[in-house]
Amino acid sequence: EIVMTQSPATLSVSPGERATLSCRASQSVSNNLAWYQQKPGQAPRLLIYGASTVATGIPARFSGSGSGTEFTLTISTLQSEDFAVYYCQQYLYWPLTFGGGTKVEIK
Amino acid sequence: EVQLVQSGAEVKKPGESLKISCKSSGYSFSSYWIGWVRQMPGKGLEWMGIIFPSDSDTRYSPSFQGQVTISADKSIGTASLQWSSLKASDTAIYYCARGASGYYTWWDYWGQGTLVTVSS
Repeated sequence: EIVMTQSPATLSVSPGERATLSCRASQSVSNNLAWYQQKPGQAPRLLIYGASTVATGIPARFSGSGSGTEFTLTISTLQSEDFAVYYCQQYLYWPLTFGGGTKVEIK
Repeated sequence: EVQLVQSGAEVKKPGESLKISCKSSGYSFSSYWIGWVRQMPGKGLEWMGIIFPSDSDTRYSPSFQGQVTISADKSIGTASLQWSSLKASDTAIYYCARGASGYYTWWDYWGQGTLVTVSS
């Protein structure tokens, strides 16, 4: 099973600042990596797929990069609605696996 | 508009059986994989398994193999997740999601979640 490790577990950021979240795979998943956002009491929402393709309707301040085993989600200018938990997920191998999540909180 | 609408919250006792559902609309149900994801209280997301409604091809994550049954009824556009004997540790929110392209894929639409509480 591919283990996805996200860091940090919690990221404290002020509104308007940049947030950088990391995700590491235990072996190469090429670019078969997605990012999701989950707010309290809500279902996950797809943000990024193919490691860097922004999903439909997602603001341009979200971007993804990386390939192989190292990936990054960047939120360029944090808005109040961006404070949430973010999960990465690999989809190259079965079983599909998520990272443990990074909580982005207000500093 | 693509929608996945899940059945309502359930409160059950240990040992009871349960089936929850995920009704699709706005797309061809038979043509896309549906997956189920568990979220235990205060925890992260875990893949349970997936099904292709067209032929009911089903895959289970090793941790959930033999613990649950995933099914689909393409005549009513609904996927289901069921337990034959619930345990307290099954208490969680369960989400269904649609695979965007095959099952080695990202998951683009999600249901609102079904809270299952198992308590004596």
